[in-house]
Amino acid sequence: NAGVTQTPKFQVLKTGQSMTLQCAQDMNHEYMSWYRQDPGMGLRLIHYSVGAGITDQGEVPNGYNVSRSTTEDFPLRLLSAAPSQTSVYFCASSRDTDSYEQYFGPGTRLTVT
Amino acid sequence: AQSVTQLDSHVSVSEGTPVLLRCNYSSSYSPSLFWYVQHPNKGLQLLLKYTSAATLVKGINGFEAEFKKSETSFHLTKPSAHMSDAAEYFCVVSDLEDNDMRFGAGTRLTVKP
Repeated sequence: NAGVTQTPKFQVLKTGQSMTLQCAQDMNHEYMSWYRQDPGMGLRLIHYSVGAGITDQGEVPNGYNVSRSTTEDFPLRLLSAAPSQTSVYFCASSRDTDSYEQYFGPGTRLTVT
Repeated sequence: AQSVTQLDSHVSVSEGTPVLLRCNYSSSYSPSLFWYVQHPNKGLQLLLKYTSAATLVKGINGFEAEFKKSETSFHLTKPSAHMSDAAEYFCVVSDLEDNDMRFGAGTRLTVKP
């Protein structure tokens, strides 16, 4: 099992550019989520999905889109990058929404200039 | 909605001395509580979890935490710190009301030789 994989590891964008952060898991987990990590603020939930075809907003969804066409993949799209989106992004998955024992990817460090 | 407060942003201990990282939570329902550890430039790893079974929870690497409902606390302890314990620690709460997890701001643990 590769677990949860994320690409790219690092990315620099200019303000206004768009891009997609990729996330995949090979554990057949139903629940997947995206977080951003900023200093002194812990991790904040951006979007989550409880299964293929189902997504919902988390705590800080503005400026981000997600889709879940398959169980394995959960990409995060930045529509028009802003410097406030400079952060480290983590994707996570878990077997279900009861135990919430999440497995995290290695993270993507994004800088928006 | 649930929330979690980590009472110390930074804790410094000497190698071989006890570790105490404090966490208080707020939840409308019976919560699930977790501690995650993040080593520098790494993803998050689950240390332990409480999901309404035994109130004293043992985790990996000698860590344990006690769920105290009357104090709404879930403090993380370890009898003897190792240099390898130096990392950032996150307390996390989830419950049935919100379909997500809420992270504390994190506690950075420094271990002095």
